[in-house]
Amino acid sequence: EPEVTQTPSHQVTQMGQEVILRCVPISNHLYFYWYRQILGQKVEFLVSFYNNEISEKSEIFDDQFSVERPDGSNFTLKIRSTKLEDSAMYFCASRPTDSGNTIYFGEGSWLTVV
Amino acid sequence: SQQGEEDPQALSIQEGENATMNCSYKTSINNLQWYRQNSGRGLVHLILIRSNEREKHSGRLRVTLDTSKKSSSLLITASRAADTASYFCATGTLGNQGGKLIFGQGTELSVKP
Repeated sequence: EPEVTQTPSHQVTQMGQEVILRCVPISNHLYFYWYRQILGQKVEFLVSFYNNEISEKSEIFDDQFSVERPDGSNFTLKIRSTKLEDSAMYFCASRPTDSGNTIYFGEGSWLTVV
Repeated sequence: SQQGEEDPQALSIQEGENATMNCSYKTSINNLQWYRQNSGRGLVHLILIRSNEREKHSGRLRVTLDTSKKSSSLLITASRAADTASYFCATGTLGNQGGKLIFGQGTELSVKP
């Protein structure tokens, strides 16, 4: 069964460094998402992406964050100048264009900022 | 905000028993989805119910939706130890122009063998 894949599964970075989290959405899906989950907390929406542009973003998704679809298969989340509070699990997700509306999530990338 | 809130926050039952988790939300939606998350893992989609549906089944899962009360329930019948996980409801208005899901706090289910 097709799945959303994310890399790396875990990354440790120094505070102030830039991080790029990568995702390969399910082929033929056209809606893409990033969510995050701070340890012990709920899953929070960051951003949605469609037709090569951001369609919606949350208050969390400030200028520190950016997303890109550099080619036909990858979808990346860049976090500039990481802070301790950016430590979380980051989930990529995708959705097909039919009326199913199910959003499929990847296994996540654990980011630890030290 | 369009937010799902689950209760109970934690539920502990014996294997073979049924587990019921509830979700309430605040605004209009066109669908509600339930996900499972094993500790430290990704979100696994369980079931989607549309706003014009009242009940849906999938294997041992039964989901109900009451849009007048803005609430949903997830019933897991004949629970197994492998059902131990966190369960989240997520509400959304998804369409051809985009949309997103908003997750609740989740219910942590523990099924004891």
